[in-house]
Amino acid sequence: DAKTTQPPSMDCAEGRAANLPCNHSTISGNEYVYWYRQIHSQGPQYIIHGLKNNETNEMASLIITEDRKSSTLILPHATLRDTAVYYCIVSNYSGGYQKVTFGTGTKLQVIP
Amino acid sequence: SQTIHQWPATLVQPVGSPLSLECTVEGTSNPNLYWYRQAAGRGLQLLFYSVGIGQISSEVPQNLSASRPQDRQFILSSKKLLLSDSGFYLCAWSVPGRPNSPLHFGNGTRLTVT
Repeated sequence: DAKTTQPPSMDCAEGRAANLPCNHSTISGNEYVYWYRQIHSQGPQYIIHGLKNNETNEMASLIITEDRKSSTLILPHATLRDTAVYYCIVSNYSGGYQKVTFGTGTKLQVIP
Repeated sequence: SQTIHQWPATLVQPVGSPLSLECTVEGTSNPNLYWYRQAAGRGLQLLFYSVGIGQISSEVPQNLSASRPQDRQFILSSKKLLLSDSGFYLCAWSVPGRPNSPLHFGNGTRLTVT
């Protein structure tokens, strides 16, 4: 599997944009970048994914560099409820299933 | 809409006792199903996955087994629990045949082996 590198922790002021970086320098051409988040004691929640183009949904925006070696998840107006661990993963889809291992992610603390 | 259920939410079991965790998915057919484990302060490790009834693949050797007796039911079991089996167990599903299908997780079972 392609691996990802994320900072272990970040702080963001409430109401400001949270920009979470991720490096995935060994990503291959057909692998997607996914972002999930995990609020304490809950299962991970899917946020967004992309292949080459930037993506936006009601939760966040995903910016993928042209060489696809890194990406940034943007939460445009962070709230206290966005405090969570954010996982950036690259999915290796083979044999008909998603072969994914989650690292330790970035712990985002939104500060009032 | 699709939903995924896991139970129990928490479980405390003595070493050497058996284990059975159940996961069911509603609102979709023939989903890919997964069991993950998260040890304290660690990332999520894929334990088992299934692409159909009776089809189980294991990612890591361990003291656990999985079964899929029905299309939308996935069970994680152990005959004799070890202390090292403690952790947060998560079931997930994805749409089969779609390389860009995200994983959808249940709320997990927190297992403490004493």
